[in-house]
Amino acid sequence: DAKTTQPPSMDCAEGRAANLPCNHSTISGNEYVYWYRQIHSQGPQYIIHGLKNNETNEMASLIITEDRKSSTLILPHATLRDTAVYYCIVMEYGNKLVFGAGTILRVKS
Amino acid sequence: EAGVAQSPRYKIIEKRQSVAFWCNPISGHATLYWYQQILGQGPKLLIQFQNNGVVDDSQLPKDRFSAERLKGVDSTLKIQPAKLEDSAVYLCASSYGTGMNNEQFFGPGTRLTVL
Repeated sequence: DAKTTQPPSMDCAEGRAANLPCNHSTISGNEYVYWYRQIHSQGPQYIIHGLKNNETNEMASLIITEDRKSSTLILPHATLRDTAVYYCIVMEYGNKLVFGAGTILRVKS
Repeated sequence: EAGVAQSPRYKIIEKRQSVAFWCNPISGHATLYWYQQILGQGPKLLIQFQNNGVVDDSQLPKDRFSAERLKGVDSTLKIQPAKLEDSAVYLCASSYGTGMNNEQFFGPGTRLTVL
């Protein structure tokens, strides 16, 4: 079973920041938080991952709380092409991804 | 660089028939994964290979599903015989290694419809 909890869906206005929350209260000390997204009819795409510190790359920022029990993925300026299912995953030993249902993000103009 | 290639993209068969899917991972990636994604759900790992050896096949229905990765590069996933509940998208992914910092790259998937 997935070790994360995400809202089923969210809406965001185009050009605004999209903040996607994720709860992972049972995360262990050596487990990473990964974010993937899946655009319709495509395979999942890696976005970002982190252990303890906040991370940023060209796609997004990942904010992890100090107790590591939750995190937020931030898309700073959402576009229509960011409409997708976003998966928050706690990486298990051996690089095994366990996907939950994810959050459907709808970016609207 | 070229991504993960899968074929066919779509397949329609009748129940009790057999079907095979092919995957070519990114060059140099030692680890290969097959996932099953049922409509409305997240992908579920079926089998993981490290080079040509199986690392994890705990979720693979071995009575009807089989997979191989000869020579540690391409892989095939077979279903024999297919059931209605096997209708899903079958995704192949690859990664350079298996450590915590290895992202997985996914192919476009094969959509299987069992009638």
